[in-house]
Amino acid sequence: DVKVTQSSRYLVKRTGEKVFLECVQDMDHENMFWYRQDPGLGLRLIYFSYDVKMKEKGDIPEGYSVSREKKERFSLILESASTNQTSMYLCASSSSGATNEKLFFGSGTQLSVL
Amino acid sequence: AQTVTQSQPEMSVQEAETVTLSCTYDTSESDYYLFWYKQPPSRQMILVIRQEAYKQQNATENRFSVNFQKAAKSFSLKISDSQLGDAAMYFCAYRSAYNNNDMRFGAGTRLTVKP
Repeated sequence: DVKVTQSSRYLVKRTGEKVFLECVQDMDHENMFWYRQDPGLGLRLIYFSYDVKMKEKGDIPEGYSVSREKKERFSLILESASTNQTSMYLCASSSSGATNEKLFFGSGTQLSVL
Repeated sequence: AQTVTQSQPEMSVQEAETVTLSCTYDTSESDYYLFWYKQPPSRQMILVIRQEAYKQQNATENRFSVNFQKAAKSFSLKISDSQLGDAAMYFCAYRSAYNNNDMRFGAGTRLTVKP
């Protein structure tokens, strides 16, 4: 089975902490994405990457950064966590072959910032 | 920018009955793809069905089918013979044919299936 694995299912952090969310895919996909999921808002794109060391801002990049040093791994970084970053974070990947390609998702990380 | 609207935050259906989830979208593009994703309590998003905008025929996948009305920019999901395992959040999504990285999601509809 193809897999997108997020390192933590639940995470509790304090305001001001630096937080790393890790995502690994085993499908050799070029594209990787970080979404934030909030009730009533659906999924909103934070950042995506289309190649190693390449990244593009999504709709809500403020307060976040990303790192993609290896093709299979895409990290989301909260430089100084704040309570308004409490949310569900979903990682996804896809092939760059065609735009009708579906996204493969991880199981999400529920982050609470206290 | 493209937007996706799901106007039903919650829906419920009796087991074995049929339910339709609504989705509308706004775009000026002529070529795009539409998706319905299911997110069960396990949180793993699963693709239910996809539709290419250039195809007039509505997509079907077993008990799942869509009603795609391109002129009305409507993309509803019909679930027939509902099962308890269909209970989940359902997200409608739009993806541009011109930008592989631009997928837009609706706010979601929570479907409850009553035994």
